[in-house]
Amino acid sequence: DQQVKQNSPSLSVQEGRISILNCDYTNSMFDYFLWYKKYPAEGPTFLISISSIKDKNEDGRFTVFLNKSAKHLSLHIVPSQPGDSAVYFCAASHMEYGNKLVFGAGTILRVKS
Amino acid sequence: DTAVSQTPKYLVTQMGNDKSIKCEQNLGHDTMYWYKQDSKKFLKIMFSYNNKELIINETVPNRFSPKSPDKAHLNLHINSLELGDSAVYFCASSQGTIRGTQYFGPGTRLLVL
Repeated sequence: DQQVKQNSPSLSVQEGRISILNCDYTNSMFDYFLWYKKYPAEGPTFLISISSIKDKNEDGRFTVFLNKSAKHLSLHIVPSQPGDSAVYFCAASHMEYGNKLVFGAGTILRVKS
Repeated sequence: DTAVSQTPKYLVTQMGNDKSIKCEQNLGHDTMYWYKQDSKKFLKIMFSYNNKELIINETVPNRFSPKSPDKAHLNLHINSLELGDSAVYFCASSQGTIRGTQYFGPGTRLLVL
């Protein structure tokens, strides 16, 4: 039972353009969402998070949007750079679960130069 | 100066053997985790310890036993290894058990033959 879904296994984008990575969740109890980035043979690295009381959070080139009614969030990377090529994981949690993160399967982003 | 380190990075062993994976964090965090990334690439939490106390214990076989000698260390011991235990195991740490950003180690790639 996948509570967090990333339906696009991969995405290819030209350098300088926008990358949009999508994530859907089914558990309406989730109230905190995170994006992690992972390079091969390394552990996931935290990118950005958003609380359910917000609908947008921005950090430099990275912006996360949350649509609670649709149970959908997206990560926008503008402009995309070749170094952004990695696997991006969406994760969710809620207070009653403590700090337990539920991860999606990941989306492979390739930024072409 | 690695924040979260794991040893070994690679582990190849025979079915039925017992093995341990060690994790250390130098971030001063009070909460540590073990995640398993299976062949389908999902990252799933196994255990979490806060100040050496077990706080999350997912449905994991009894053959897996975590041990936290102090706040900076969380080791994972696996008895009677099975083929299905082959996966990448990630250790992580955070400050607190609510909304604390989790920092991941590089992973230990376990292959059971």
